[in-house]
Amino acid sequence: AQSVTQLDSHVSVSEGTPVLLRCNYSSSYSPSLFWYVQHPNKGLQLLLKYTSAATLVKGINGFEAEFKKSETSFHLTKPSAHMSDAAEYFCVVSEDTGRRALTFGSGTRLQVQP
Amino acid sequence: NAGVTQTPKFQVLKTGQSMTLQCAQDMNHNSMYWYRQDPGMGLRLIYYSASEGTTDKGEVPNGYNVSRLNKREFSLRLESAAPSQTSVYFCASSGRPSAYEQYFGPGTRLTVT
Repeated sequence: AQSVTQLDSHVSVSEGTPVLLRCNYSSSYSPSLFWYVQHPNKGLQLLLKYTSAATLVKGINGFEAEFKKSETSFHLTKPSAHMSDAAEYFCVVSEDTGRRALTFGSGTRLQVQP
Repeated sequence: NAGVTQTPKFQVLKTGQSMTLQCAQDMNHNSMYWYRQDPGMGLRLIYYSASEGTTDKGEVPNGYNVSRLNKREFSLRLESAAPSQTSVYFCASSGRPSAYEQYFGPGTRLTVT
């Protein structure tokens, strides 16, 4: 069985300051990990993905995440927050089985203050 | 190339009514999925279809049925809606070149009164 824990339900930063959204995972296999973003009343957009290649993964809009197997973590970072980054962020792990179903964390709401 | 489309966008049902949520993808993906999203719980898998003609239960299948009509379309049916099924429903698909990456539709917001 696999699971994802997002350590903060809500994060507030000022525009121009760094962003850190924390995620820990549990998986019986070598996992594939993702971060998705959901803007208000919108669908989900893939930010970045880790699939056993480089441990530092770069995504869209300046986001990146580092896979740390020893810490079972996959934290999302961005050097400088922008107002448009305000959204809900989901850390997701994919089963390493035929169905490839995704297990979602409960989400972190990022608020960016002017 | 529309990606994953869902209809309707919004729906209000009375308890006991039935309805079908439609999903279609134009990316020639083999796998399709239905999720529901509830506040504070992320998305949970209802049903999935690994390929045309096959379906399987996910984490929360009770009260739902699905049909994989063809490779493009995957519908979700509520036979007798209950207030507990008030949620936002997302359809997703995955396939070559990356079986791991799922593409999501815009969602259907369903309210059952």
